[in-house]
Amino acid sequence: QITLKESGPSLIKPKQTLSLTCTLSGFSISSSGVGVAWIRQPPGKALEWLALIYWDDDKSFSSSLESRLSITKDTSKNQVVLTMTNMDPVDTGTYHCARRRSGAFGIGFFDYWGQGTLVTVSS
Amino acid sequence: DIQMTQSPSTLSASVGDRVTITCRASQSISFWVAWYQRKPGKAPKLLIYKASTLESGVPSRFSGSGSGTEFTLTISSLQPDDFATYYCQQYNNFSGTFGPGTTVEIK
Repeated sequence: QITLKESGPSLIKPKQTLSLTCTLSGFSISSSGVGVAWIRQPPGKALEWLALIYWDDDKSFSSSLESRLSITKDTSKNQVVLTMTNMDPVDTGTYHCARRRSGAFGIGFFDYWGQGTLVTVSS
Repeated sequence: DIQMTQSPSTLSASVGDRVTITCRASQSISFWVAWYQRKPGKAPKLLIYKASTLESGVPSRFSGSGSGTEFTLTISSLQPDDFATYYCQQYNNFSGTFGPGTTVEIK
């Protein structure tokens, strides 16, 4: 059974750095073709793709947020970590990790998602 | 960046109705579109990819069509489980943009 589970702080202060962990089960981040993305949704707004990391450590980032994002993987723990710097109240929202369908064109689409973790940015 | 729009933003319908949601891209994206269903408190669920390919396990009442800049998601006979929010996503390039969503609510 394939599952993804997000974890991290539910409340963070402005200007702080957010670190979120996605723990994978049922598949391995080190298997050829695998990619895991982070996607967020501010309250009442659309889903927004943030970043993607592949099994070979190749990475892609949203052009509008690239300067604030980093994404890494820990193959021993089968986890993917997203870091976002200089957090602002507009970054409040639910953050999801999702598995990219192997072999998909371009950035791809996402066949398994975590339930998401709500992050509130407030002083 | 490629922008995605959806219409309508909200749709009121009854069980058994045929429902169509439209997604438009700001430039041609061939057929690189996926559709997702989202219910409150749950993870999004993949319904369709490559504009018209039904994901395994998704009921056949869901279908997708379109290419270029205009795409549609159709539910042939709305079921109680289908009341949810639906999102399109383009993956034509290396930035995956989502549409703003269409909420299907009970009439």
